[in-house]
Formats: sequence, structure tokens, C-alpha cells
Amino acid sequence: QSVLTQPPSASGTPGRSVTISCSGSSSNVGSYTVHWYQQLPRTAPKLLIHSNNLRPSGVPDRFSGSKSGTSASLDISGLQSEDEADYYCATWDDTLKGPVFGGGTKLTVL
Amino acid sequence: QITLNESGPTLVKPTQTLTLTCTFSGFSLKSSGVGVGWIRQPPGKALEWLALIYWDDDERYSPSLGSRLSITKDTSRNQVVLKMTNVEPVDTGTYYCAHTDYGDYDRAFDSWGQGTPVTVSS
Repeated sequence: QSVLTQPPSASGTPGRSVTISCSGSSSNVGSYTVHWYQQLPRTAPKLLIHSNNLRPSGVPDRFSGSKSGTSASLDISGLQSEDEADYYCATWDDTLKGPVFGGGTKLTVL
Repeated sequence: QITLNESGPTLVKPTQTLTLTCTFSGFSLKSSGVGVGWIRQPPGKALEWLALIYWDDDERYSPSLGSRLSITKDTSRNQVVLKMTNVEPVDTGTYYCAHTDYGDYDRAFDSWGQGTPVTVSS
């Protein structure tokens, strides 16, 4: 069981928006910035959002992140078929003294 | 441009020690704030952080596996080595190494290797 809780699945239709949540505690999400990774099928994870809401170079602005208290969210607008992937949230954890990942959310574009 | 490449055995027998090497380029593990981590992913399952080593030799380990793991760096060869003792079939999965930095990305893993598959079976 992962330290950070994500819904196992999410779905949306092309052009619409979807939100993926990530719930933690005061020792992780509540104290540190949250990062999001996208893992396309059969590929390595890729950093999508870092420091709650910052996009690395090359990431479309359709992807945005936010954090409030011990929860964080990834929003994807204008869904495209190529967005179908697994999405993971991650942050640092004081208790574990290291990074922690969420259980991942499989996004299906219907 | 940062690149990382994992290498190691694809098949390991139970109770053996698994040794994985991450060879990287595009950054130095002597630079302040820089680290390299290992993350694994069992088939069809989530990512799991294993270990981290920083420029200043600070080592971090997942508490659930800590006693079985050892991470070392060789800055002259641009390599980080992960050893996992007493492997079991549940250790089967893809193992990734990744770059991290306190600075620009606030300890996110901003660059990843392509991963190396490991199967533990007799």
C-alpha cells in the first residue's frame, strides 16, 4: 500500500478535462512540494509537473498541478488520445526520510 | 543533456545478490545538490523508491528494504551501483535510475534511464 493515495483509474473523452487527486499526510504532501510523473505504456516515467505546479520545458500547458494542505491534484485539459498513460504523484516524506510515490492512476481516453 | 543507463543481470536466482549499475552523463555527482536514485516497478504495479545517494555521500534507503540495499558512487567513472542482497521472486521488476537535484526541481527525479528488467527465479 502506497504512502500517497491516488485513484486507481480515471477517464475522459477527447477535448474534455480530467483531474487526478493525490492524498497524503503532514509528513509528506503537507510539508513538501509535489511532483507528477507520466508513464506511457512500456516506457520509463517522465517528469510532468514539479514543485506543485511547474512544468519542465516541453510539457504542454494542458497539464497543470496544484496543492492544498495534504492533497494535490493534476489537471489535464483538452484531453488527447496520447495522454493515455499512468500518472504518479510523488514527494518527500519526513518519516521515511526519502521520496514516496503514489499508487498510480491509469488514465483512459475514451 | 542528461542521460542515464542501467545495466545488470536480467535473471537472478533467489538468495543471490543483485548488482545494478547506473552509468550517467551530462552532470556530475560532485556538484552540490545532485543525487542519483533507484526506483523499481514490479510488473503491472506502481513505482517504488529504493535508494538515493547525493553529491556529499549522503545515502538514503527505503525503510522496507534498507538492510538489503547498498548504494555507492564512483564519480570518476560517472556510475552509481546498487546492490540488493538475498533477492526473492517479489523483487522481480524493472529497475530505473534517475537524476535528482535539490535546486531546479526540488528533489524531483527529472531525468530517468530506460530501465533494466530483472527476473528473480530459480
